[in-house]
Amino acid sequence: DAKTTQPNSMESNEEEPVHLPCNHSTISGTDYIHWYRQLPSQGPEYVIHGLTSNVNNRMASLAIAEDRKSSTLILHRATLRDAAVYYCIPAGTYKYIFGTGTRLKVLA
Amino acid sequence: NAGVTQTPKFQVLKTGQSMTLQCAQDMNHNSMYWYRQDPGMGLRLIYYSASEGTTDKGEVPNGYNVSRLNKREFSLRLESAAPSQTSVYFCASSEGPWDYQPQHFGDGTRLSIL
Repeated sequence: DAKTTQPNSMESNEEEPVHLPCNHSTISGTDYIHWYRQLPSQGPEYVIHGLTSNVNNRMASLAIAEDRKSSTLILHRATLRDAAVYYCIPAGTYKYIFGTGTRLKVLA
Repeated sequence: NAGVTQTPKFQVLKTGQSMTLQCAQDMNHNSMYWYRQDPGMGLRLIYYSASEGTTDKGEVPNGYNVSRLNKREFSLRLESAAPSQTSVYFCASSEGPWDYQPQHFGDGTRLSIL
C-alpha cells in the first residue's frame, strides 16, 4: 500500500494562499490521489482528486508532480472555515488509507 | 439533501453488551463503508460493501459484523463490546469503486464502552 508523508501542522493567514504538501513516493501507477478534510466533530469531506494532471474545482486546486511521487493541495484564499485536518490519500481499488493528515490553522 | 445519515449519534455501552450502528444514504450509491477513528488518529476501514449483496473485510474487522440490508442501508454490529472499541464510527458511501469516486461521510457515532 502507498504510504504518505504530510506535515503534522501548518499555519496560514486569512485571505492568503495555502500550499499543503504530500509525499507519496510508493504510489502505484493506477492510484488516484484524493484529498479530504475533516472539521472538528464532523466526518471527512471530499475536497479534490486527480490521477496525473493538475485539477481545479470550486474548493481548491491539486498540483501533481510529473513523477506522481508528490502532490500539493492549494487553497487559493484561506478562510477561518478552512481550519481543519487535511488528508492526502493515494486510492487503489478498495484500498483507502487515511494517515494522520496536516492540521491547518488559519489566523485572522 | 440528507446524504449519509448515522444513528445513534452517541451511545454508551457496558463491556459485553451488543449493539447495531445504523447507516443510510439517499444518493443511490452502490458502495458503502464503515470506518473507526480513534483520538488523534486517521480513519481505519472496518468493512465495506462494494455493491448490494456483497461485503468484505477492511483493515480492522475483528469484533465487528456488517449487513448490507439493501442498497440504501449498511449496518455495523458489535456482538460483545470491549473497551478497545471505544471510538468514533463513520459510515460513508460512494457511487462506485473508491479509487476514482469520492466518498461521502456521515457525521459519526461516538461510542464509549465502559
